[in-house]
Amino acid sequence: DAGVIQSPRHEVTEMGQEVTLRCKPISGHDYLFWYRQTMMRGLELLIYFNNNVPIDDSGMPEDRFSAKMPNASFSTLKIQPSEPRDSAVYFCASSSPGLYGYTFGSGTRLTVV
Amino acid sequence: GEDVEQSLFLSVREGDSSVINCTYTDSSSTYLYWYKQEPGAGLQLLTYIFSNMDMKQDQRLTVLLNKKDKHLSLRIADTQTGDSAIYFCADVSGGYNKLIFGAGTRLAVHP
Repeated sequence: DAGVIQSPRHEVTEMGQEVTLRCKPISGHDYLFWYRQTMMRGLELLIYFNNNVPIDDSGMPEDRFSAKMPNASFSTLKIQPSEPRDSAVYFCASSSPGLYGYTFGSGTRLTVV
Repeated sequence: GEDVEQSLFLSVREGDSSVINCTYTDSSSTYLYWYKQEPGAGLQLLTYIFSNMDMKQDQRLTVLLNKKDKHLSLRIADTQTGDSAIYFCADVSGGYNKLIFGAGTRLAVHP
């Protein structure tokens, strides 16, 4: 298995633009998580899905953030409009009951200028 | 809510042992995890321990759990320069579903 695949690896965008981050979980994993990592706040759980259904989005910082999982093999995290303070590394992770811990993707480094 | 705390930085000499400490608040934790993050990479699961265990050993890694004090530690024997990374302690919150991470301990290994 290729692991959790995220794209793009790096994204530089101007303030006010829409940004879409993508994630392909490991086949067969029915949990998908989006985390954000910054120096100031560490790793924050933004939202997670179970069987494509959002279960807990209490970590989503603002209405500018939205996440979808239209099917078991794809999820997106969208920021519209983006702001400089959204600059961070965004990680996607997947897991399944019976497995220990999560498998993380390599992350998307977002820079908003 | 649940909280996981770690010291932020540790510097050791190559060949020495490293001990990274973590405290957590959720008394109902069933699993606790250690993850490693190398520069520019995602988090990699290093090891985990069940809450009914006191110790787990895996090659150079030893995990100690003191459930009474809610204290978890990771010992790396014979630390190598390749062990330089950020180490995260994580606790499961709300049952299986949510991993809550500490701030991470940056381990620097010098000759």
